[in-house]
Amino acid sequence: QSALTQPASVSGSPGQSITISCTGTSSDVGSYNLVSWYQQHPGKAPKLMIYEVSKRPSGVSNRFSGSKSGNTASLTISGLQAEDEADYYCCSYAGSSTKVFGGGTKLTVL
Amino acid sequence: EVQLVESGGGLVQPGGSLRLSCAASGFTFSSYEMNWVRQAPGKGLEWVSYISSSGSTIYYADSVKGRFTISRDNAKNSLYLQMNSLRAEDTAVYYCARGHGDYGDAFDIWGQGTMVTVSS
Repeated sequence: QSALTQPASVSGSPGQSITISCTGTSSDVGSYNLVSWYQQHPGKAPKLMIYEVSKRPSGVSNRFSGSKSGNTASLTISGLQAEDEADYYCCSYAGSSTKVFGGGTKLTVL
Repeated sequence: EVQLVESGGGLVQPGGSLRLSCAASGFTFSSYEMNWVRQAPGKGLEWVSYISSSGSTIYYADSVKGRFTISRDNAKNSLYLQMNSLRAEDTAVYYCARGHGDYGDAFDIWGQGTMVTVSS
């Protein structure tokens, strides 16, 4: 149950696009199309942004998109806005109803 | 309104016990899998435990196995986490989170969290 690997921080200017990577193993990210992404603002509970690698729940902006290749999943945010500044966590199914999170990435909007 | 509200957190000495509760409202609690997720101060999220909708299937993270017990009472729309033999490294905000089958069991609803501090 080792944590997935995410960059500690990324940054971008308003209107730009950024991508956050999430690297796991063949036992989690690589084996299942069950990667989800969560946004967390300071002092708040996480919010589901992407599920099943690339699907968006109702109400989530289409500026958020997800993808996966091999053992690495990615979250892309296009048209960056000030309110996107937050921590982002990936999460993967790891078998037997267990989950593993990434270490989190702090997004700064310059 | 769909809602999860945790309670039961607090300050406990190392080796002590604490029982967390999570009250669900606004949805059919008995139809959903539930999880506990924790976040140590300034750290990332860590999945802690899973329980199936009926309560018949349970899983734990290695870090809490043998010390924590998850349970639920569908008649009371409540989820619980009994935490024994607590350690300093268990200090965290504990969230209950709903797993939604339509979302690949992703956590679509979260509570506001309850803080557990293990310290002498």
